[in-house]
Amino acid sequence: EDQVTQSPEALRLQEGESSSLNCSYTVSGLRGLFWYRQDPGKGPEFLFTLYSAGEEKEKERLKATLTKKESFLHITAPKPEDSATYLCAVGKTSNYQLIWGAGTKLIIKP
Amino acid sequence: NAGVTQTPKFQVLKTGQSMTLQCAQDMNHNSMYWYRQDPGMGLRLIYYSASEGTTDKGEVPNGYNVSRLNKREFSLRLESAAPSQTSVYFCASSVGVTATQYFGPGTRLLVL
Repeated sequence: EDQVTQSPEALRLQEGESSSLNCSYTVSGLRGLFWYRQDPGKGPEFLFTLYSAGEEKEKERLKATLTKKESFLHITAPKPEDSATYLCAVGKTSNYQLIWGAGTKLIIKP
Repeated sequence: NAGVTQTPKFQVLKTGQSMTLQCAQDMNHNSMYWYRQDPGMGLRLIYYSASEGTTDKGEVPNGYNVSRLNKREFSLRLESAAPSQTSVYFCASSVGVTATQYFGPGTRLLVL
């Protein structure tokens, strides 16, 4: 069964304390893996797309990496404004639908 | 550019009432989507429209209908609302069905 699992469910960090969020997936035929950020009461905001194992993308304090079974979102020296829920989704080659994880709620304390 | 807009922002319905959620995009995208988001669960696709004139069921279509009014607009209708449809509804659009999806701000629906 196709599945996307994000861990941890919630993560509290001090400002400046680097860490990683995990998105593990089991799908047959990966078309792409998408990372989004969602602030409370808002819609998801696109961050990155990764297409193949070994690919990496960076944006400010965020860096996304991809292996054949999982993706990591590394956050370096986070600031309070990085607090949000981070969602990952996987697209399959066999259809157009995305399979979404439940998200990781990240809280950065000043 | 406003991107993807949704109306209303918030709605309260009684069981059995009907309503239509509106979505519009100004990015000249071909594909549009309706999702629901419930606590502790990933986004679930209700319906999508790959291009103007076509609509297809997603993962959870029961109790909903959609209309792709034109290239810009995609509406979601609840004919007879049920408490199980209490959720946050998001509309999204993309250049094509395999491209990155961009989301609207959401409609929060409470069915009593």
